[in-house]
Amino acid sequence: DSGVTQTPKHLITATGQRVTLRCSPRSGDLSVYWYQQSLDQGLQFLIQYYNGEERAKGNILERFSAQQFPDLHSELNLSSLELGDSALYFCASSARLANEQFFGPGTRLTVL
Amino acid sequence: EDQVTQSPEALRLQEGESSSLNCSYTVSGLRGLFWYRQDPGKGPEFLFTLYSAGEEKEKERLKATLTKKESFLHITAPKPEDSATYLCAVQAGTTGNTGKLIFGQGTTLQVKP
Repeated sequence: DSGVTQTPKHLITATGQRVTLRCSPRSGDLSVYWYQQSLDQGLQFLIQYYNGEERAKGNILERFSAQQFPDLHSELNLSSLELGDSALYFCASSARLANEQFFGPGTRLTVL
Repeated sequence: EDQVTQSPEALRLQEGESSSLNCSYTVSGLRGLFWYRQDPGKGPEFLFTLYSAGEEKEKERLKATLTKKESFLHITAPKPEDSATYLCAVQAGTTGNTGKLIFGQGTTLQVKP
C-alpha cells in the first residue's frame, strides 16, 4: 500500500458525459501528479500540482482539468468524454517537487 | 525529444534463471532515472532511483545500474512472484524543476516455476 488513495476504482459512463476522479496523496506529500495509462500509449504524464498550484502540464487535453485543494487532495475532471478516453488514470504523490513518486491504485474509466 | 526505450518487450525465465532488463534513454540533462514494478490492473510500485552514472542500488533479488546512456535492472535467481511489468522512467532537465516522469513502454517478465 503506497498510502495514495483514489476513488472511484471503476467508472463506466457514456460518450459526452463528465466525470470527476479524486486523489488523496500520502500524508505530508505536497506534490500530486496525474497520469493516463492506455494500452497503446503507455503511461503518460498529464499534470502536476505542488501545494495547490499548477506546476507542470503534459499532453493534457483541453477537455480535461485538475485542481489541488487546500487539504492537498486533488481532482481530475474529464468532460465531453470520448471512447478514446477509456484508460487507467493514476494519481501519484511526492514529498517535494521532483523526487520519487508513489502511485495510487488507479481509476479504470470505461467510456461506452 | 526526450525518449525512453525498454527492451525486451517481454521476457520469460525459468525460476532461478538470472537475466537483465534494459532501459535506454535520450534526454537533455538527466535529473533522475526511476524503476517501477507494476502488477496487472494495479498502480506502479516504486523500486529505485538512480541519479548519476556508475550508481547502483539493490533490493532483494533486484539490482539497478546506470550509465550515461542506459540503465539495467538485473534480476538474480528470480522467483514466480517476480513476474510483473517493470517500468523505467526519467526526469529530464528540459522539464525544469518539476516532477514530470517520461516512461518507457515496459518489460513484461514472466517467471515459470
